[in-house]
Formats: sequence, C-alpha cells, structure tokens
Amino acid sequence: GQNIDQPTEMTATEGAIVQINCTYQTSGFNGLFWYQQHAGEAPTFLSYNVLDGLEEKGRFSSFLSRSKGYSYLLLKELQMKDSASYLCAVIDSNYQLIWGAGTKLIIKP
Amino acid sequence: EAQVTQNPRYLITVTGKKLTVTCSQNMNHEYMSWYRQDPGLGLRQIYYSMNVEVTDKGDVPEGYKVSRKEKRNFPLILESPSPNQTSLYFCASSTGTGAGNTIYFGEGSWLTVV
Repeated sequence: GQNIDQPTEMTATEGAIVQINCTYQTSGFNGLFWYQQHAGEAPTFLSYNVLDGLEEKGRFSSFLSRSKGYSYLLLKELQMKDSASYLCAVIDSNYQLIWGAGTKLIIKP
Repeated sequence: EAQVTQNPRYLITVTGKKLTVTCSQNMNHEYMSWYRQDPGLGLRQIYYSMNVEVTDKGDVPEGYKVSRKEKRNFPLILESPSPNQTSLYFCASSTGTGAGNTIYFGEGSWLTVV
C-alpha cells in the first residue's frame, strides 16, 4: 500500500527553528508538495520538490531525498502565525496525490 | 482573483435528506477534486475529474456522487447522507495532475449530519 508518515504534533518556541519530517512509500514518485493549513481553513501551497536537494523560499525551506523516500520542511525564525498543520503530499506514478495526515505545529512564546 | 468557491460553508442536515455542495473555479482548470478531512486522517479524496464529463472514484467514494457538465463546476451530491459523512469537505482544482501543478482549495464546507 501507499503510505506517508509525518509526526502528529510538534512544539517549538517563537524565534527558533523547527524541522518537520515526511517519509513516504508510494508506487512511483513524481514530486512532493508541502502545504500549510490553519485550523478550519483551506490548505495553502508552500513548496514543491521533484529533484533531490534543498529548495529555499524565505523563512521556509524544503528538502528531498528520493533514494531515501524522505523530505523535510524547515521553518526558521518561527512566528506565532506559523502555528498550523503542515501537510506532506506525494504525486505517485499515476499522477494521483497521496496525502499525509499532517503535522500540527504549536508555537510557544 | 483566482478562486475556488464552494457552498454552503456550513450545513446541518438530517439523515437521508439529499444535499448538494457546489464548487466553482474561475481559473479554467481541467482537474477538479473533492476531499474530506477528518481528525487524524488527513485529506482523503472522494472523487476527481480530469475534464468535462470525465469523473473517477477516489479513495472514499461510497455515499457520494459527482458530475462535471461544465469545466468550472464540480458539485458533490450526497443522495442519502448519514452521520458518518459528518466532516469538513474541500473542493480543489489545478491545471492538471502533472508535476508541479499547484492545487487550489476552496474554503471548505463543514457538514454535520444528525
């Protein structure tokens, strides 16, 4: 079966750095998305990786290792507004999106 | 402004009373889909459509129907709602399912079936 694993919940301090991991086992791979979702709201696009390596976009960076079936989202200089769930999603060989259950990130002052 | 609009945003209904959740996008996207989101389970795809008159089952299609008569609209139909369909529903659209196509989500519809 296809599976995406993310930690259920993480806690971090305002101003700090946090890394949210995502591991996947899917039938094929055609890219990986990270989305941010505030409680009760729609997910919004953060990043897309299809090649190995690090993609940096302001305070957020996303890393991919296809050989390890692994990605992480790195958030720097955490702000209270970063409190949200972070969803990892993989495009499989049939170009269908497989979603992880999401990681709830709690930021403390 | 690029938008995916779904209605109603909030609905409480009774078991067995047919309801339709509408979804419309203004981006001329070919691909549209419906998800439900339940605590601890993440987003689960109900149905998707690659283009007009083309629809396919997702992971959890039981109890739902869809139609795609026009490119912009993709309504979700619950013919006989049951309490286990109480959930948060999202409509989404994108240019396609190929690599890198960003998915745009509607604001969500909170549905309670009593």
